[in-house]
Amino acid sequence: GQNIDQPTEMTATEGAIVQINCTYQTSGFNGLFWYQQHAGEAPTFLSYNVLDGLEEKGRFSSFLSRSKGYSYLLLKELQMKDSASYLCAVRAEADKLIFGTGTRLQVFP
Amino acid sequence: SQTIHQWPATLVQPVGSPLSLECTVEGTSNPNLYWYRQAAGRGLQLLFYSVGIGQISSEVPQNLSASRPQDRQFILSSKKLLLSDSGFYLCACIRLVGPDTQYFGPGTRLTVL
Repeated sequence: GQNIDQPTEMTATEGAIVQINCTYQTSGFNGLFWYQQHAGEAPTFLSYNVLDGLEEKGRFSSFLSRSKGYSYLLLKELQMKDSASYLCAVRAEADKLIFGTGTRLQVFP
Repeated sequence: SQTIHQWPATLVQPVGSPLSLECTVEGTSNPNLYWYRQAAGRGLQLLFYSVGIGQISSEVPQNLSASRPQDRQFILSSKKLLLSDSGFYLCACIRLVGPDTQYFGPGTRLTVL
């Protein structure tokens, strides 16, 4: 079966660093996406990892270990506007895109 | 650049009525297209995906159906809506040429009463 796990909720302070983990077990693996979703809006693309390692893009970085079935999204210098849900999604066999349930992040001043 | 259109943005329908939601894509060709549903406060559930015209894969048994009559058009339908069909419906597209990023349309918020 397909299984993607993320923590349900996380809290952090403005200016801090937070790491959101994602573990997966899927039929096939062709890449992993991270999305940000504000309440009532469509998800917006943050990153896509195909190979192992860290990809950095401004304040956001994403890491992948295919052998461990593990990824994380790292958010630095947190801002209040970073309060949102963060979704991990795996591109599995036949190009199926399977999402985790998402992690709701609350940033406090 | 790639753009995904969905309409309508919001919809309120009575139980038992039919449904047709449309998704069209601009700026790419031969994309993989996906329909997701998101219940309030929940994750994205994959409903259907398509790798080409007339090719539909269904993920969850339900009273919904999908069709892809043209390369850049993806339609979600139902003959009779249920209360449990309420949710936020999102169309998504993966570019097969260029950066491998998945884009979402703005979504349709459906309320079945």
